[in-house]
Amino acid sequence: NAGVTQTPKFRILKIGQSMTLQCTQDMNHNYMYWYRQDPGMGLKLIYYSVGAGITDKGEVPNGYNVSRSTTEDFPLRLELAAPSQTSVYFCASKGSGETQYFGPGTRLLVL
Amino acid sequence: KQEVTQIPAALSVPEGENLVLNCSFTDSAIYNLQWFRQDPGKGLTSLLLIQSSQREQTSGRLNASLDKSSGRSTLYIAASQPGDSATYLCAPQTGANNLFFGTGTRLTVIP
Repeated sequence: NAGVTQTPKFRILKIGQSMTLQCTQDMNHNYMYWYRQDPGMGLKLIYYSVGAGITDKGEVPNGYNVSRSTTEDFPLRLELAAPSQTSVYFCASKGSGETQYFGPGTRLLVL
Repeated sequence: KQEVTQIPAALSVPEGENLVLNCSFTDSAIYNLQWFRQDPGKGLTSLLLIQSSQREQTSGRLNASLDKSSGRSTLYIAASQPGDSATYLCAPQTGANNLFFGTGTRLTVIP
């Protein structure tokens, strides 16, 4: 199993541009999550999904959108990139247990 | 809102030393508490999960304790090794899908 994979690993965006961060898991987990980690700060939950077709907001959802059309994929969309969205983004998934499994992260720089 | 504090922010110890990392949280109504390890430029790896009804959990040289009523958890690492060098994150879970992360303790084990 590859676990949780994220693409791209690193991206530079200009202010106002849009992009989609991809997340895929091959563990057949129902739960999937998007977090952001700012320098020197703890991870904060952006959005989560409890299954295909179901998504909900986390602590910091503004400026982001998500969709969950399949069990495996949970893409995160930034419509109008702002410097405040410069961060490292982590995707995670969880099965029937309580442990979350994290991807390697996407480093995003908005200039 | 759950606030998580980890002390110390950074710790440097010689190889072989036993050490304790501290975590405190403000909302004691938690489902569980997880400890994660984060290596530079990588995702998070789950180390231990303590259910709210448990007092401690052990895995190899790691032992985590939980005092839910006082909002405290400790991670004890025995006989530290250079490979233990990483950032350790504490994350209490409140609600079915809400993990709240501390800013972490950056550990360096000197050979």
